[in-house]
Amino acid sequence: DIQMTQSPSSVSASVGDRVTVTCRASHDISRYLAWYQQKPGKAPKLLIYGASSLQNGVPSRFSGSGSGTDFTLTISSLQPEDFATYYCQQADSFPFTFGPGTKVDIK
Amino acid sequence: QVQLQESGPGLVKPSQTLSLVCTVSGGSVSSAGYYWTWIRQHPEKGLHWIGYIHYSGKNYYNPSLKSRLTISLDTSKNNFSLKLTSVTAADTAVYYCARVVTARDASDIWGQGTMVTVSS
Repeated sequence: DIQMTQSPSSVSASVGDRVTVTCRASHDISRYLAWYQQKPGKAPKLLIYGASSLQNGVPSRFSGSGSGTDFTLTISSLQPEDFATYYCQQADSFPFTFGPGTKVDIK
Repeated sequence: QVQLQESGPGLVKPSQTLSLVCTVSGGSVSSAGYYWTWIRQHPEKGLHWIGYIHYSGKNYYNPSLKSRLTISLDTSKNNFSLKLTSVTAADTAVYYCARVVTARDASDIWGQGTMVTVSS
């Protein structure tokens, strides 16, 4: 299985801050990477697919970049509704695997 | 608007079979552009991908669960299901069904999730 890691595991930030989350794959996954946002008690929500394509309806303050083994999710200006846990997921080979998550909470 | 809804018992005894159904509304499980997946999340833990099925019959099971797992599709009822045999406490989790867009390889629609506890 392809192993996914994320850093940091948690970050404290304020409204308006720029937040960056990093995801690393154990093997080259090209651009087969998605990002999800999950709030407590809720299902994950797709934000980004194909490493950098924004899912319909997702605010443009979210962006993704990277290819190969290193990827980044950036929130350009953190909003109150963005406090959540973020997961990356590789879709290069089965079984699809998720990163352990990055929790973004209020400073 | 496509929606997914999981259903099934919230409590299963050890060694028994966990059975869940995901009902799809507003869309068809027979659509070629999607495959239908199950994902679980252990309490306070991360996400674990279980497997998928496509209406063509193609499926894939996570090797860690393959010997105990069956995922099937019922086009007449527009749903898909999960059966996991010989469960233990390690199978206690929130189980999600989700739709994967084949062209995007990402799960764009999820059910709300259902908590399953394995306990005697």
